[in-house]
Amino acid sequence: NAGVMQNPRHLVRRRGQEARLRCSPMKGHSHVYWYRQLPEEGLKFMVYLQKENIIDESGMPKERFSAEFPKEGPSILRIQQVVRGDSAAYFCASSPAVSRETQYFGPGTRLLVL
Amino acid sequence: GESVGLHLPTLSVQEGDNSIINCAYSNSASDYFIWYKQESGKGPQFIIDIRSNMDKRQGQRVTVLLNKTVKHLSLQIAATQPGDSAVYFCAETRGNQFYFGTGTSLTVIP
Repeated sequence: NAGVMQNPRHLVRRRGQEARLRCSPMKGHSHVYWYRQLPEEGLKFMVYLQKENIIDESGMPKERFSAEFPKEGPSILRIQQVVRGDSAAYFCASSPAVSRETQYFGPGTRLLVL
Repeated sequence: GESVGLHLPTLSVQEGDNSIINCAYSNSASDYFIWYKQESGKGPQFIIDIRSNMDKRQGQRVTVLLNKTVKHLSLQIAATQPGDSAVYFCAETRGNQFYFGTGTSLTVIP
């Protein structure tokens, strides 16, 4: 049973470009969470999604950031017009519908904005 | 303001000794807590959890203690091994969100 998959593992972008981060939850999991981690800091909640629904996006910046979890395919975290401050590790976690509190994390995508 | 934080940012222990990592939280409404381990370059890994109606829970070599009176959470690792070296985070849940502390870096000295 594969764990949570994220790709790419490393992503380099220049300022102004777009970054797309993908997350495939564990098999059977219908809840996805995105977190951002800056160096030497804890994880900061960004958004919580179920299939085709955004449940809670209170941690997401109002501009340039968006997330989706389509009926088919992975969840996508999209950052438009990236700036240097977007450089961070982005982690995705998933949980089964019956146990929303137990989150399993992916290996993360490390975004570097030049 | 509300926060989940850790008393010590770093901890060094001798191999074979027991480790205790502490965490303070400030929201008495939090009802579920988790400890995660994060190794360098990897995602957080679930270690153990505890609900607010409990004060102690044991796993394999790990014990979590919850003191709701002083809003304090601790993780005890028995017979610490080199593979335990990592950053340990506590997290609390409020509604749909998890709130993570900054983390404690544990180094095991062979």
